[in-house]
Amino acid sequence: SQQGEEDPQALSIQEGENATMNCSYKTSINNLQWYRQNSGRGLVHLILIRSNEREKHSGRLRVTLDTSKKSSSLLITASRAADTASYFCATAGTGGFKTIFGAGTRLFVKA
Amino acid sequence: DAGVIQSPRHEVTEMGQEVTLRCKPISGHDYLFWYRQTMMRGLELLIYFNNNVPIDDSGMPEDRFSAKMPNASFSTLKIQPSEPRDSAVYFCASSLDRWDNEQFFGPGTRLTVL
Repeated sequence: SQQGEEDPQALSIQEGENATMNCSYKTSINNLQWYRQNSGRGLVHLILIRSNEREKHSGRLRVTLDTSKKSSSLLITASRAADTASYFCATAGTGGFKTIFGAGTRLFVKA
Repeated sequence: DAGVIQSPRHEVTEMGQEVTLRCKPISGHDYLFWYRQTMMRGLELLIYFNNNVPIDDSGMPEDRFSAKMPNASFSTLKIQPSEPRDSAVYFCASSLDRWDNEQFFGPGTRLTVL
């Protein structure tokens, strides 16, 4: 399966700390995307990193991609209570024309 | 733009009834996706369309599920007859130009089948 798998499943940190979430996948990809989902809401796109890129930044977000290890990480720096949400990685594989979402990491940021 | 619009937001129905979920994608987006989210199975892609044509429906669970996109601004997902195991949140999403571009999700329809 191409599906990304996030690690850890759940993460609890204090406000101001950094949060790191990891995603591993099994097949070659066109790109990898990270999404956030607040409770009871739809997913919101955070960042897209292409297979020929190694790192991207967006505000307090930093995403890395290691295609040799088939893994990606999402770092949220100086976390805030408002960052409390579930975070999903989604992989767009080269072999199939669909984007597959992982099971997500639930992040809880304590004020 | 108002974003992706879904209706209804909540639907409670009894087993055996027909359920129709509706979606209006963002204007100009070429791709429309239907997903189902449950605690047990996570977020599953059911079907997606490109320029109103179904491209991949391999995620549709069974014949009770059907989806249509009669024009670029409207799509429906129908379940007939509905069963309790269909209870989930159903999301519609749309994207521009490519199937692997970022997707814009609607707020979802929470379906409960009693």
